[in-house]
Amino acid sequence: DSGVTQTPKHLITATGQRVTLRCSPRSGDLSVYWYQQSLDQGLQFLIQYYNGEERAKGNILERFSAQQFPDLHSELNLSSLELGDSALYFCASSVGPTNTGELFFGEGSRLTVL
Amino acid sequence: AQRVTQPEKLLSVFKGAPVELKCNYSYSGSPELFWYVQYSRQRLQLLLRHISRESIKGFTADLNKGETSFHLKKPFAQEEDSAMYYCALSLVSKGAQKLVFGQGTRLTINP
Repeated sequence: DSGVTQTPKHLITATGQRVTLRCSPRSGDLSVYWYQQSLDQGLQFLIQYYNGEERAKGNILERFSAQQFPDLHSELNLSSLELGDSALYFCASSVGPTNTGELFFGEGSRLTVL
Repeated sequence: AQRVTQPEKLLSVFKGAPVELKCNYSYSGSPELFWYVQYSRQRLQLLLRHISRESIKGFTADLNKGETSFHLKKPFAQEEDSAMYYCALSLVSKGAQKLVFGQGTRLTINP
């Protein structure tokens, strides 16, 4: 499957812990985006990387950080987890940094914080 | 602030009836708008974009700048149209892009 892949699919952890979500973009895509989808909210943009460089930031908490590696995969690190961080985290990719709105999404990583 | 509003969380219509999913946006510049769809057990995917002026799976959407709307329409709904639909606004600035999504509308087509 050459689409966007995200791991893990599901993750259950406790408050105060730290987790890392991983994303591999589509083959050939250089840009990666992270979105958070909570129960009461739509898709909230967190951050964008293009070819290893941060390009845009949304409402990403200071407890969260991300990076994109030379092989273009990306990781989203969530630390000091709180109950409210429970959500579906989506990764998406596109060829360029400003790709006229067509993003290709992964299946998401569902994080549950107990 | 840039914002996308989908006023209906749920919409239910009968097969063969017309469908309209509402989307309103708030943006001071020239908007680029999209509809994304997520079918059951599938990934979120692009359905159509306003600049293409295309019809995909029988759906069309017209940008109305006066009303700041981008409603999605289909004259005759089919059962396979049941899905979650998201309206999105593209914000491009300084070599970066943000897609701002609405809250989504769950469309159910009843047989």
